[in-house]
Amino acid sequence: NAGVTQTPKFQVLKTGQSMTLQCAQDMNHNSMYWYRQDPGMGLRLIYYSASEGTTDKGEVPNGYNVSRLNKREFSLRLESAAPSQTSVYFCASLVVSSGSYNEQFFGPGTRLTVL
Amino acid sequence: AQKITQTQPGMFVQEKEAVTLDCTYDTSDPSYGLFWYKQPSSGEMIFLIYQGSYDQQNATEGRYSLNFQKARKSANLVISASQLGDSAMYFCAMGIMNRDDKIIFGKGTRLHILP
Repeated sequence: NAGVTQTPKFQVLKTGQSMTLQCAQDMNHNSMYWYRQDPGMGLRLIYYSASEGTTDKGEVPNGYNVSRLNKREFSLRLESAAPSQTSVYFCASLVVSSGSYNEQFFGPGTRLTVL
Repeated sequence: AQKITQTQPGMFVQEKEAVTLDCTYDTSDPSYGLFWYKQPSSGEMIFLIYQGSYDQQNATEGRYSLNFQKARKSANLVISASQLGDSAMYFCAMGIMNRDDKIIFGKGTRLHILP
C-alpha cells in the first residue's frame, strides 16, 4: 500500500515549456486534489475531483488543466509554464467513511521551478 | 462561500507549556468537517485531528485536541505539554460535505518551541 505517489519529485522548466505532474493513489478513494504551496500563502487548491470523470476548479485554477484518468490517477498539466508557477505541488486524496470525512492523505510533493 | 482564517503567522512557546493555535471558518452549510495538519521542515503533511460539524464532543488525539466552538465558528488546536519536535507549520482546513468535497486550507501558523 503505497498511499499517494507523485512524480516527479523535482522539475526545472523554462518559461513556455509544458509538463504534466502525475499523481496516483491505491486506497480506492473517490476524491482527489491538487494544491500549490507558496511561502506565506498556505496551501491553495488548484483543482479537485470528487469522483472519476468529474473535475472542478479550486481557488487558483488559471494556467492549469487536470485529468482524472480513472479512480486511481489525477494528473495536473501546465501547458505553458510561467515563473509565477514556481511552487511546491501537493496531490491528496480523501477518506470518506460512514458519511463523514476522516483524513486527507498527501503525496510527498513536487518542487517545480520555472526559469 | 467557504473561508478559513489563521491569524497567527508565528508563535513562540516554552517547552512543556500548552499551545493554542487559532482557526476560524465561515460557511453557511450545516454539514462540514475541520482538519488540522502539521508540516515539519522536511515538508510532508501530517494529519493530526478531525472534527465533524455534527460531532457532539471535541475531538482528541493524544496530546492534540480540537476546541470546537460552533457558534463562534472557531476550531482551535490545543497541544498539551509541548515538545521540541512540535516545532513546525500547522494548517487548519475545512471541507463542505455533500458539495463535491472541496477542501481549502488556511495560511498556516509557524510554531517555535523554545528549550
